[in-house]
Amino acid sequence: DVKVTQSSRYLVKRTGEKVFLECVQDMDHENMFWYRQDPGLGLRLIYFSYDVKMKEKGDIPEGYSVSREKKERFSLILESASTNQTSMYLCASTPGLAFTGELFFGEGSRLTVL
Amino acid sequence: GDSVTQMEGPVTLSEEAFLTINCTYTATGYPSLFWYVQYPGEGLQLLLKATKADDKGSNKGFEATYRKETTSFHLEKGSVQVSDSAVYFCALDSWGKFQFGAGTQVVVTP
Repeated sequence: DVKVTQSSRYLVKRTGEKVFLECVQDMDHENMFWYRQDPGLGLRLIYFSYDVKMKEKGDIPEGYSVSREKKERFSLILESASTNQTSMYLCASTPGLAFTGELFFGEGSRLTVL
Repeated sequence: GDSVTQMEGPVTLSEEAFLTINCTYTATGYPSLFWYVQYPGEGLQLLLKATKADDKGSNKGFEATYRKETTSFHLEKGSVQVSDSAVYFCALDSWGKFQFGAGTQVVVTP
């Protein structure tokens, strides 16, 4: 089974702190994604990556950056956390661009910014 | 751009009732369509999918048919159980980028 692991299930941070959310997948997938999930808004794509050291902006990249130094790991970085970034963050992966199949999700990281 | 619209919830049903969740999409190409489910406290998991027009996806008693003429992918189940209580997301995959609907919470009472 594909496993996507997000390192922290729950985090509480203060405004202005730098926040790292880590995601690791164990199936050699090419593509990795970061979404945020908010009630009534569904899932919105923050950033995605098709390859190591490659990144593309999604629909709501402002206030976020990402890092993909190794194929299996995709990190989401909040340079200076703000209260409007309180949300559930979901990491996902897929084998490749030509793959017409499902996204494999981690369990999510719930971030609260005070 | 591509988008998905699904009916708002919460939808509250009694056990053994019929469930329908409407989903329509806008896309420039021919996307694959999905329903994902999120049970309480868990991540999203694939419920079913359809990759081309007139395909029917099915799983766990749920069904959805890819209707190109009405750009719809409505989810149905004939007899729901309490264990079907969850949030359901309609989604499309257009060239590797997924777009999700807002999600519909379903509550099934005994």
